[in-house]
Amino acid sequence: DGGITQSPKYLFRKEGQNVTLSCEQNLNHDAMYWYRQDPGQGLRLIYYSQIVNDFQKGDIAEGYSVSREKKESFPLTVTSAQKNPTAFYLCASSIPFTGELFFGEGSRLTVL
Amino acid sequence: GDSVTQMEGPVTLSEEAFLTINCTYTATGYPSLFWYVQYPGEGLQLLLKATKADDKGSNKGFEATYRKETTSFHLEKGSVQVSDSAVYFCALTPRGAGGTSYGKLTFGQGTILTVHP
Repeated sequence: DGGITQSPKYLFRKEGQNVTLSCEQNLNHDAMYWYRQDPGQGLRLIYYSQIVNDFQKGDIAEGYSVSREKKESFPLTVTSAQKNPTAFYLCASSIPFTGELFFGEGSRLTVL
Repeated sequence: GDSVTQMEGPVTLSEEAFLTINCTYTATGYPSLFWYVQYPGEGLQLLLKATKADDKGSNKGFEATYRKETTSFHLEKGSVQVSDSAVYFCALTPRGAGGTSYGKLTFGQGTILTVHP
């Protein structure tokens, strides 16, 4: 089945550590996105990529980094510079020019 | 910038009750509008969409009409079920030249719906 796979589903991190969240898709979509979800705040865009080897900052990119070396993969690194990293992270991809997003099941990061 | 405002939640209903979740937006031009649903512990799924004024999106008994005059896209269902319990998000994306849309969505804060038997 085609879809988006995020891993790990749950992740615990100590303060000062970088962590990388994986996102893989087999939908053959060019565009991929990372959103952060906090209770009562909806989803906020961290980074997005419209094509391989290119990506842009979203609304809350500070403390995060991404890469897009392959069409299928868009990993997100939460760095130690992110002041409040505990959140639910969602990866998505989209059909070109429709605005329709397909989401993974999310990764919940907790900083201890 | 663009923004989406949803009615305050949570919303609690009995099975077979009528559902309305209000959504209003602020955007330039003619955005595309969406409702997404998130079931417990899962990612979001597209529920329905509308791309131009007066369009009605519908799916699984849910409906929403794109009202440009009131900048609204309220979600309705005539008879809810326990299985409809979820978080519902209204969202928009700007439309470019030629009517194309982009995936950079702006989301509302979400409305938690709980349906009791």
